[in-house]
Amino acid sequence: DTGVSQDPRHKITKRGQNVTFRCDPISEHNRLYWYRQTLGQGPEFLTYFQNEAQLEKSRLLSDRFSAERPKGSFSTLEIQRTEQGDSAMYLCASDFTGGGWMAEAFFGQGTRLTVV
Amino acid sequence: AQKITQTQPGMFVQEKEAVTLDCTYDTSDPSYGLFWYKQPSSGEMIFLIYQGSYDQQNATEGRYSLNFQKARKSANLVISASQLGDSAMYFCAMREGGSNYKLTFGKGTLLTVNP
Repeated sequence: DTGVSQDPRHKITKRGQNVTFRCDPISEHNRLYWYRQTLGQGPEFLTYFQNEAQLEKSRLLSDRFSAERPKGSFSTLEIQRTEQGDSAMYLCASDFTGGGWMAEAFFGQGTRLTVV
Repeated sequence: AQKITQTQPGMFVQEKEAVTLDCTYDTSDPSYGLFWYKQPSSGEMIFLIYQGSYDQQNATEGRYSLNFQKARKSANLVISASQLGDSAMYFCAMREGGSNYKLTFGKGTLLTVNP
């Protein structure tokens, strides 16, 4: 396993378009997280899955955002009707329940979204 | 109130010297973990070191050590013998026991190692 994989690495889209990002976690990891990072800031939590269940969503996740993890493996994050304020790095991370709250989260390289 | 505070936007260090990056945190949960991540310009967050709230000893991982002062709610990262490849953003993060496992990050410190 080569770690957490995110696709695409970069996405430029016009305002109002829909975009979808994919995250493939480390295969034995059952927890998956999405974070958003804007310039000069630390990552901010968006949402969290344990297996296929979405257990928490941040207030940052407006109605235009939706995330899925249909079979408890890969996850997708869709942004509808993109706005310039959505421009950010979207990071995916994974870990496993056995590590409890002490488990190290492994991050992907992120998808950098630019809305023009 | 911010849960994780990193007061140093930028730090400079000479190659081969040690540097301390500051982190203070705020939580009322007795169970928590503190993490440090490195983010090079490529964007990936790289785990460096972990300290649990119940750990009696300061964590160490190679050239990285964590100066954990629980009463002061600080968890400073010490990098010994700095290398040019250490130049990156460094983030302190906390996971609280009742937080549903999400990490809360500080704003980061940009470390520059000079030759």
